[in-house]
Amino acid sequence: DVKVTQSSRYLVKRTGEKVFLECVQDMDHENMFWYRQDPGLGLRLIYFSYDVKMKEKGDIPEGYSVSREKKERFSLILESASTNQTSMYLCASRSGTAGNNEQFFGPGTRLTVL
Amino acid sequence: GNSVTQMEGPVTLSEEAFLTINCTYTATGYPSLFWYVQYPGEGLQLLLKATKADDKGSNKGFEATYRKETTSFHLEKGSVQVSDSAVYFCALSDMDSSYKLIFGSGTRLLVRP
Repeated sequence: DVKVTQSSRYLVKRTGEKVFLECVQDMDHENMFWYRQDPGLGLRLIYFSYDVKMKEKGDIPEGYSVSREKKERFSLILESASTNQTSMYLCASRSGTAGNNEQFFGPGTRLTVL
Repeated sequence: GNSVTQMEGPVTLSEEAFLTINCTYTATGYPSLFWYVQYPGEGLQLLLKATKADDKGSNKGFEATYRKETTSFHLEKGSVQVSDSAVYFCALSDMDSSYKLIFGSGTRLLVRP
């Protein structure tokens, strides 16, 4: 089974802090994704990466950056955390095989910015 | 652009009741369609999927049929259990970007004993 792990389940940070959220997958997937989940809004894509060192902005990239130095690891960075970034963050991965669209999700990190 | 619309929740049912969660979509081409489920405190898990018109996805007693004529992918289960209480997300593959999924807002299901 594919396993996607996230570094923390719960995180509390202060406004202005730099925050790193880490995601690791063990199935050699090419594609990785970061979403945020907010009540009534579903999942919104922040960034995705289709290969090592390759990234593309999703629908809501403002205030975030990402890093993918190794195939199995995809990091989300909040350069200067703000209270409106309090949310649930979900990482996902997907095989790069054409036509295989299923994404596998980690358990999520609930981030609170005070 | 592509989009997914789900019925708003919460949906509250008694155990063994019939479940329908409506999902309609707007998309160009022929996207794949998915239902994901999120149990309390967990990430999303794929529940079922369909890749072309008239396909029926099924898993754990849940079913959904890809209806291109009505652009719908409604989730159904004949007899729900308390353990089915979760948030259900309908999603489609973005034909403009093969990497992406577009999600609905989610529907919370609460099943009472």
